[in-house]
Amino acid sequence: EDKVVQSPLSLVVHEGDTVTLNCSYEVTNFRSLLWYKQEKKAPTFLFMLTSSGIEKKSGRLSSILDKKELFSILNITATQTGDSAVYLCAVAYTGNQFYFGTGTSLTVIP
Amino acid sequence: SQTIHQWPATLVQPVGSPLSLECTVEGTSNPNLYWYRQAAGRGLQLLFYSVGIGQISSEVPQNLSASRPQDRQFILSSKKLLLSDSGFYLCAWKLLAGTYNEQFFGPGTRLTVL
Repeated sequence: EDKVVQSPLSLVVHEGDTVTLNCSYEVTNFRSLLWYKQEKKAPTFLFMLTSSGIEKKSGRLSSILDKKELFSILNITATQTGDSAVYLCAVAYTGNQFYFGTGTSLTVIP
Repeated sequence: SQTIHQWPATLVQPVGSPLSLECTVEGTSNPNLYWYRQAAGRGLQLLFYSVGIGQISSEVPQNLSASRPQDRQFILSSKKLLLSDSGFYLCAWKLLAGTYNEQFFGPGTRLTVL
């Protein structure tokens, strides 16, 4: 059965810490892996990864995909309280459909 | 630029009542459209997706139905709500053309069935 698993389920860190969020997947007809940030409402898009080993970076956030080992990581450096959110990983398959993981809840304490 | 609208933002309905949630997209043509449900503390569950007018694919058997009467309009309905239908309903779109396009989400509707 296809699935997307995120770890850890939740994480509490202090401002300034660096965190690594994990996403592993087993999906037939993989197309791309996406990361989203969800605060109180709708998820907002962060990254889309299609190729192994190529890091995508946006400010303090970065992500990389390993298509051989079937996982991705999302790194956040120098965390701030505004980074507190649920981070969702999704895998696109067949071009039209998406599996979502259950998310990692990150809390950044001042 | 593209925008996606959902309404209502929140809804409280009694068990057994009907439901109609609406989603519209502006600024793009022929998008793929999606309905997801997110239960408290859970991930997003894909309910329906549509690649065109009148074309609906259902991912899970359930008490809900979807319709796409116009290119940029996607409606989620139920004839009789169940308690288990409570959750956060999200509509999303992606470009139909191309395989590697990300999804963009609407603001969501929080539904509570009492």
